[in-house]
Amino acid sequence: GENVEQHPSTLSVQEGDSAVIKCTYSDSASNYFPWYKQELGKRPQLIIDIRSNVGEKKDQRIAVTLNKTAKHFSLHITETQPEDSAVYFCAASITGDAGNMLTFGGGTRLMVKP
Amino acid sequence: DVKVTQSSRYLVKRTGEKVFLECVQDMDHENMFWYRQDPGLGLRLIYFSYDVKMKEKGDIPEGYSVSREKKERFSLILESASTNQTSMYLCASSKPEYSNQPQHFGDGTRLSIL
Repeated sequence: GENVEQHPSTLSVQEGDSAVIKCTYSDSASNYFPWYKQELGKRPQLIIDIRSNVGEKKDQRIAVTLNKTAKHFSLHITETQPEDSAVYFCAASITGDAGNMLTFGGGTRLMVKP
Repeated sequence: DVKVTQSSRYLVKRTGEKVFLECVQDMDHENMFWYRQDPGLGLRLIYFSYDVKMKEKGDIPEGYSVSREKKERFSLILESASTNQTSMYLCASSKPEYSNQPQHFGDGTRLSIL
């Protein structure tokens, strides 16, 4: 089955700096890659996703890049703010399955210091 | 807005008890999922269901079963609770993959087995 590895497990940045979280996946058939943000005590929420027919996607201060050849994808957060502090999860799945099963990475705890 | 409701935020049970975790969604989603979340391990899929009375094993189904008698409700059952099942349990729902809709999560149930 699919295996997703995520690095780093913790990341501390100064407010205003950029943060990058990287994930690798094992199944070359995976074609959908969402990113979820989970604030302390709250539910995971989708912040951005990318499909394998696209190499990069941006939404304001966040962007995701995908390298299908190397089987890795990354989340980039620019101009970080204290409210970006949370645990971020990457995931991968193969669309075409009725269940759209996601395999998650282990999570990255991002701390933005004011 | 999608609403996924888990019946309890916190639950304390004893070893050997049969435990029921309930999840209800109000958006007529076909797919429903149960995950457990443990530090450093991300979200791991226990079971999922893509239709009423249908269920599929995820990555870690041992010690669990599920029930989906109605489209809006997906129950996770710990047949005989053990201490290693102490964890955060998250329910999610989504439309089928062809609709390109993400998974929506509930707030989670923090389960402690004593």
